[in-house]
Amino acid sequence: NAGVTQTPKFQVLKTGQSMTLQCAQDMNHEYMSWYRQDPGMGLRLIHYSVGAGITDQGEVPNGYNVSRSTTEDFPLRLLSAAPSQTSVYFCASMRGMNTEAFFGQGTRLTVV
Amino acid sequence: ILNVEQSPQSLHVQEGDSTNFTCSFPSSNFYALHWYRWETAKSPEALFVMTLNGDEKKKGRISATLNTKEGYSYLYIKGSQPEDSATYLCAFGNNNDMRFGAGTRLTVKP
Repeated sequence: NAGVTQTPKFQVLKTGQSMTLQCAQDMNHEYMSWYRQDPGMGLRLIHYSVGAGITDQGEVPNGYNVSRSTTEDFPLRLLSAAPSQTSVYFCASMRGMNTEAFFGQGTRLTVV
Repeated sequence: ILNVEQSPQSLHVQEGDSTNFTCSFPSSNFYALHWYRWETAKSPEALFVMTLNGDEKKKGRISATLNTKEGYSYLYIKGSQPEDSATYLCAFGNNNDMRFGAGTRLTVKP
């Protein structure tokens, strides 16, 4: 069982570069979301999706774009990386809000 | 704005102690309250998902209660063991998204 797969696990970017963090799930979950984890701040919601073709902003969406063309995939795009985006990023999926979320392994991103 | 607050921020207990943490959340637009256990260098793993006021859930030595009217949930650990050392996260879900608290970091000393 693959569950939620995130790639890459580690990435170093230069300021101004763009990149896409990949997230895929094989559980046919409708809900998918991206969080960033910073020391002392828990998990903060970046963007989320309640189904294919539907996305919305979370708490900290600036500097990030998402799309949901299929149920399985929910990529997160950094348009022009900034040092403030240095963080650990987690993708999660769930069947519904009243069911548990499954998390990917995380992506540690450093922007220099 | 969805504020989910957890207390205490960190906790150090001796092996065998029982302990509890608090999660407070908005009492409006409630859909579900989640608890997750998060070990260092791993991904969060679900402990409980609760949806009904008065819900009580139990898994081994860990249990949780829910009060949606006043907007709080308690997580209890009975007879703490060193392997219980982790960060415990709660998350408030409305009908669209889920917001997390900052977590309670538990350290259990042998």
